[in-house]
Amino acid sequence: DQQVKQNSPSLSVQEGRISILNCDYTNSMFDYFLWYKKYPAEGPTFLISISSIKDKNEDGRFTVFLNKSAKHLSLHIVPSQPGDSAVYFCAASASGQNFVFGPGTRLSVLP
Amino acid sequence: NAGVTQTPKFRILKIGQSMTLQCAQDMNHNYMYWYRQDPGMGLKLIYYSVGAGITDKGEVPNGYNVSRSTTEDFPLRLELAAPSQTSVYFCASVTGRASYGYTFGSGTRLTVV
Repeated sequence: DQQVKQNSPSLSVQEGRISILNCDYTNSMFDYFLWYKKYPAEGPTFLISISSIKDKNEDGRFTVFLNKSAKHLSLHIVPSQPGDSAVYFCAASASGQNFVFGPGTRLSVLP
Repeated sequence: NAGVTQTPKFRILKIGQSMTLQCAQDMNHNYMYWYRQDPGMGLKLIYYSVGAGITDKGEVPNGYNVSRSTTEDFPLRLELAAPSQTSVYFCASVTGRASYGYTFGSGTRLTVV
């Protein structure tokens, strides 16, 4: 029973366009969310976070949106760059610790 | 500043053998974690520690043991390795503020044959 779902295993986007990665969760107690990026043969690296008291958080080209009523969050990357090609994981927690990770979405940004 | 260091990077074990995956961090983080990642799956929490001398089970602890004798080190012990333990193992640490995000090591790819 996956508590955090990323229903798109892969996504391809043209360079310069917007990338939108989606994440759904089932546990209504989750109140803190993280996005990680992972390159092959490396560990995940932290990208951006959002808590349930906000509906948007922005950091440079990366923006995370949270829709609590729909139990849905999304990561927007604008503009997308070839270096953004990686696997993106969504993670959620009810306590700010012990995060549950989704299965990841592989993003390919085409030049 | 090395961050989180995991050794070894790769290992092949025979069924029934034992080994210890090493994890060390130099950021003085209180919280440390062990995750495993199976193909096409998210990371699953094996064990975690909130400080030296304190450990607790995560989602998939069976077949593993941990210890936390110092703030820096958090080794993961596999006893009686089984093919189901073939996976990539990641160690992570965080200061305690989730908003900072975990710092992950580069992983250990383990194959049990």
